[in-house]
Amino acid sequence: DAGITQSPRHKVTETGTPVTLRCHQTENHRYMYWYRQDPGHGLRLIHYSYGVKDTDKGEVSDGYSVSRSKTEDFLLTLESATSSQTSVYFCAITMEAGTDTQYFGPGTRLTVL
Amino acid sequence: LAKTTQPISMDSYEGQEVNITCSHNNIATNDYITWYQQFPSQGPRFIIQGYKTKVTNEVASLFIPADRKSSTLSLPRVSLSDTAVYYCLVGDWRLTGGGNKLTFGTGTQLKVEL
Repeated sequence: DAGITQSPRHKVTETGTPVTLRCHQTENHRYMYWYRQDPGHGLRLIHYSYGVKDTDKGEVSDGYSVSRSKTEDFLLTLESATSSQTSVYFCAITMEAGTDTQYFGPGTRLTVL
Repeated sequence: LAKTTQPISMDSYEGQEVNITCSHNNIATNDYITWYQQFPSQGPRFIIQGYKTKVTNEVASLFIPADRKSSTLSLPRVSLSDTAVYYCLVGDWRLTGGGNKLTFGTGTQLKVEL
């Protein structure tokens, strides 16, 4: 168990509203990631973080921003949600320094109407 | 990052051995091969990782030929609970010092029946 929790687990919102998803880890891991998963696309990396206040873009970062003010929390924000951002969002961490083994949270199902 | 190709789906029966092959023709010298498993409504879970030859753990075996252009995940005596999507990934974690931007394809949907 990598000690990863995500909140909320489910959310329904309307187009144009801001949404923030939270990823919380309990073991002070340095690297954290946000992915989205859609049918036919597998998982795609949105943003990742390699330390407090250190973040970088992934493959599908447009329309998303992130923040990491504490080691344990990595926030994903949709400034103005669109229907194309309806998806399942997974947070992940790299548990061991120097490996690519990632451990994933339970996911957040977001529906934008 | 090396592109991977794997079958979209496979069917099997309980008790059989299942082999899922992944093609990665452009694998780089320093790349490792990693497999993940994902059940519905859950995040992917690490299964096994290898660089060459054979790796075995309590869950699966990973066979990598000498040219490393493909790899085969072997699941011995599958059960209904092995029904899941299996992803093959190739990458060199050292390039990003552990902040590895993994690329997941669409994976292989394994369906195990009685």
